[in-house]
Amino acid sequence: DIQMTQSPSSLSASVGDRVTITCQASQDIANFLNWYQQKPGKAPKLLIYAAYNLETGVPSRFSGSGSGTDFTFTISSLQPEDIATYYCQQYNNLPYTFGQGTKLEIK
Amino acid sequence: EVQLVESGGSLVQPGGSLRLSCAGSGFTFSNYAMSWVRQAPGKGLEWVSAISGGDYSTYYADSVKGRFTISRDNSENTLYLQMHSLRAEDTAVYYCAKEVDPLVGLTPFDYWGQGTLVTVSS
Repeated sequence: DIQMTQSPSSLSASVGDRVTITCQASQDIANFLNWYQQKPGKAPKLLIYAAYNLETGVPSRFSGSGSGTDFTFTISSLQPEDIATYYCQQYNNLPYTFGQGTKLEIK
Repeated sequence: EVQLVESGGSLVQPGGSLRLSCAGSGFTFSNYAMSWVRQAPGKGLEWVSAISGGDYSTYYADSVKGRFTISRDNSENTLYLQMHSLRAEDTAVYYCAKEVDPLVGLTPFDYWGQGTLVTVSS
């Protein structure tokens, strides 16, 4: 199975800050990497697919980059509504695997 | 509007069985692969099983292989997960999720249901 290592596991930032989360795959997954946002008590929501493509309706302050084994998720200017846990997920091989999540809090 | 609505979660004893359902609407259900993804309390996301849209090919995580069976009824726009020999570690919120292609493994999950809670405990 492909292991996905996300860091940090938690992050505290101020409104307006630039926030970056990284995700490393245990083997080359090309660009088969998605990012999801999950708010407490809610289902995950797709934000970024295929490493850097913004899902329709998602604000442009969210972005993704990377390929191969190393990926980055960025919020350019943190907003209060961005408080959530963020997960990366690879779909290069089954089983699909997720990172352990990054819990984002407002400082 | 795409909607996925899960049902069937409940409290069940270890060794017991349960069947989850996921009703889809707002899209042509048969055209898309579907998955079950679970989340244990306070933990991360774990993919459980998937089924293709057209040929009904099925796939399972090792942790549930031989105990869980995924199926779908395209005439009823419904996805199922039959769970047997349940263990405490199967306790989780179970989400159904839609892929963007009929074949499993090619696309992200673009829509998720709200989840249904399965608790395995005596």
